[in-house]
Amino acid sequence: DQQVKQNSPSLSVQEGRISILNCDYTNSMFDYFLWYKKYPAEGPTFLISISSIKDKNEDGRFTVFLNKSAKHLSLHIVPSQPGDSAVYFCAALTGNQFYFGTGTSLTVIP
Amino acid sequence: ETGVTQTPRHLVMGMTNKKSLKCEQHLGHNAMYWYKQSAKKPLELMFVYNFKEQTENNSVPSRFSPECPNSSHLFLHLHTLQPEDSALYLCASSQYGQGAAFFGQGTRLTVV
Repeated sequence: DQQVKQNSPSLSVQEGRISILNCDYTNSMFDYFLWYKKYPAEGPTFLISISSIKDKNEDGRFTVFLNKSAKHLSLHIVPSQPGDSAVYFCAALTGNQFYFGTGTSLTVIP
Repeated sequence: ETGVTQTPRHLVMGMTNKKSLKCEQHLGHNAMYWYKQSAKKPLELMFVYNFKEQTENNSVPSRFSPECPNSSHLFLHLHTLQPEDSALYLCASSQYGQGAAFFGQGTRLTVV
C-alpha cells in the first residue's frame, strides 16, 4: 500500500522556467514532509522539508508547499537549472518511519 | 568526512558467498536504516534500529541479517543471496522522530 505517491514519473522543463513536482499522501498522521534529490547510483540527498503545521517553506530556489486538506505536497524550483536534472523523491515521516514516493525524473533542458 | 559513509561502494558476489555491508554515521543520530532500491521501484525499507534496538523488519528474507553494535555503526550481513537481490543498498540515519534522514552513497550489489 503506497502511502506516498508521485504520479508523474518524469517532467521536462526549459532552463530558467519553473519546475513543479507533485506528491500526494494518504496518511493524516504524517507530521513531517521532505524532498530528496537523487543522481544515478548515489544515495538521495536531502533538499528541503516542511512541518505539518506549516503550509510553505522556502530555501533559495526551492519552495515546498503543503496542502493538508488535499493531502498534497509540491516542490517548486525556480529558476530551473540544468544541474537540477535528477530524480526527486518526496517522503513523509511519522514516528521514525519514512515513507517514500516512487520519484519523478526531472530534466532541465538548456 | 561525509555524514553517512557506506562501504564498499560496489560488490559482486556469488550466490554461495558471505559478505557484509558497512555503514557509519558521524551525525550523532540515534536511528539507522537499511533501504533497498531496485530498478524502477520505490525505496524499500528493510530494517530500522532505534538506540541500537531493531524496531522494524519489513518481511525481509533471513539471508539478510542486520547488526547494530552501537548507534554509529550498522552492518548488513549477506549470505546465499539470489540474483534478484541485486540492487542499490542504502543506509540512512536520523534523529528519532525528528527531521530528515540522511543517506549514504549506497552499495551497488550484484549477485551472480
